[in-house]
Amino acid sequence: RKEVEQDPGPFNVPEGATVAFNCTYSNSASQSFFWYRQDCRKEPKLLMSVYSSGNEDGRFTAQLNRASQYISLLIRDSKLSDSATYLCAVLNTNAGKSTFGDGTTLTVKP
Amino acid sequence: DGGITQSPKYLFRKEGQNVTLSCEQNLNHDAMYWYRQDPGQGLRLIYYSQIVNDFQKGDIAEGYSVSREKKESFPLTVTSAQKNPTAFYLCASQTRQGYGYTFGSGTRLTVV
Repeated sequence: RKEVEQDPGPFNVPEGATVAFNCTYSNSASQSFFWYRQDCRKEPKLLMSVYSSGNEDGRFTAQLNRASQYISLLIRDSKLSDSATYLCAVLNTNAGKSTFGDGTTLTVKP
Repeated sequence: DGGITQSPKYLFRKEGQNVTLSCEQNLNHDAMYWYRQDPGQGLRLIYYSQIVNDFQKGDIAEGYSVSREKKESFPLTVTSAQKNPTAFYLCASQTRQGYGYTFGSGTRLTVV
């Protein structure tokens, strides 16, 4: 079993839709959590950190459930420009390294 | 502007040849990382370094080597022992423990 698992999708949604991605992790020592966005043939870019209390940045909401060991990303009112691959990452601070999921591909259509 | 610079953007390697990928950062970050990404897959950790003159193996270190002689630089050598080196190589750095990563724009390595 992979340490971090994501539904690969693809998710194909119309503009304006709400879409949610989930990511599960198996290492309970994981201490920090992140979502990255990766455009085709580009480097990943940090989208947002994920906190237990949940956090929101505009149309994006991230949540962490430590008991069930999963994180989620909700995108409201999808835009064409949201089309990308979304990677979740879990950071084990003690080990000093992050493990990434394989990514979920989102395509937003007109 | 501060950032991470990876070079070259594209690299072609012949069978049995060693090649070195450059990664330089001017962000004053202590920690640096090398990941490999294969098509349709996530990132797999090759090597990482928390401080100068120290580095650790990641999940797929075989066939690779690194050095960290300066805070700003973390070059990766892909040796001839790496049998399937064709991939997208990403260098990243981290400002402080617990924070997310900043990535370079990557190097695409192809074996010819």
